[in-house]
This record gives sequence, structure tokens and C-alpha cells, in this order.
Amino acid sequence: DTGVSQDPRHKITKRGQNVTFRCDPISEHNRLYWYRQTLGQGPEFLTYFQNEAQLEKSRLLSDRFSAERPKGSFSTLEIQRTEQGDSAMYLCASSLPGLAGGPTETQYFGPGTRLLVL
Amino acid sequence: GDSVTQMEGPVTLSEEAFLTINCTYTATGYPSLFWYVQYPGEGLQLLLKATKADDKGSNKGFEATYRKETTSFHLEKGSVQVSDSAVYFCALSPYTLSSASKIIFGSGTRLSIRP
Repeated sequence: DTGVSQDPRHKITKRGQNVTFRCDPISEHNRLYWYRQTLGQGPEFLTYFQNEAQLEKSRLLSDRFSAERPKGSFSTLEIQRTEQGDSAMYLCASSLPGLAGGPTETQYFGPGTRLLVL
Repeated sequence: GDSVTQMEGPVTLSEEAFLTINCTYTATGYPSLFWYVQYPGEGLQLLLKATKADDKGSNKGFEATYRKETTSFHLEKGSVQVSDSAVYFCALSPYTLSSASKIIFGSGTRLSIRP
């Protein structure tokens, strides 16, 4: 169990450019979550996958954001035409499903990708 | 909608002091409750959790009890150490039939411990 990994750890880009982040979950974790954390705030939910299916998206996920998990393993989060307001830490988490109807399973977080849009 | 409100920081204490960080929540049904910790330069780590009323979560000397009557989940530690300096997030996860659920976080409380 090597933990959730994210790449890159830091990204600086100019406004209007596209960026893509990658998340590798803990192996055998079939649920994967993306969150965004701005300075001084708690993380906010963006979207979640079960295997390759994207099952929920937050209203925070504008049309410029797209997430994929093509083979049910790693996931990518792309931001098109970046804006300065996109500057944040992007966090990925993974989990194993718990019992249906049981308590929410524990999510394990990666170190995050810090994005700065100039 | 569901939300979490936690004590604003920063909180500064001397080593060996008693710690309380207050947290209250608003949610329908029976959410799971969590405390996460973020040490400087590191990712979010689960500190403790409780999944039903009156459950007590504990880890590394920290404790929190799920109080449904007061919708609270206050974090306590009897004697803090310098190494406890970090940002602490109270969070909830709404109950769902599938057990999958987003986590809703509070805004975090920065804790600094003086030697």
C-alpha cells in the first residue's frame, strides 16, 4: 500500500492555458474523489468515480473542468482556459466500498497538486 | 444543505495544555463525523472518526464524541505537544445507501503549540 499519489505536486501556468493533473489511487480502491482547497479554507468536493463511472459532480465543476478515469484506475482532472480563480490545491482521495447501508467508508487523501495561475 | 462550523483559529497553546476545538454540524439523517489533520507540508490525514450517535473516536491521545442532541463533535486532547501543531478540519459525510459520499469540511483551525 503506497498511498494515493498525485502528479505534479506544483504547477504554475498562465491564464488561458490548459492544465492536467493525475491521481493514482491506492490499488484496489475502486472509488476516487476530487476536491479543491483554496487558501485558508477546507477542501470542497468536486466529483467522484466508482470504477470508470463518474457518479456525482459538484456545481463547482464548471464546463472548463473535466475529469476522467478511463480504466477505473488512475484519474485525470483537466482545467481548460485557466483563470486566476482556479488557483488552489487540488486533492484526490480514494476508498474501498463499505457495506451498502453502512457508514461511509474512509477516504485516503493524496498530497495534492498546488496550482498557481498567473 | 449539510454544513460544518468549527472554531476559528489560530489557537496557540503551551505544551502540555488541554486542547478543545469546537465543531458543530448541520445535516439530515445520520452522517459520519471526522477530524482530519494537515501537518505543515503534508497531505490530509484522517485523525479519528465516529459513525453513530454517542460513538467516541480516538487516536494519538485525541478524542471526539458524536453528540446528536447538540449536533457537535468537539476535539479534545489532555496534554498537547509541539508536534501537534497543524491545521485541524472537522468534517461530515452524509449517510447514503451505497456508503459512498462526499466529505463536507469545516474551514479548519490552525493550532500552534509553544515549547
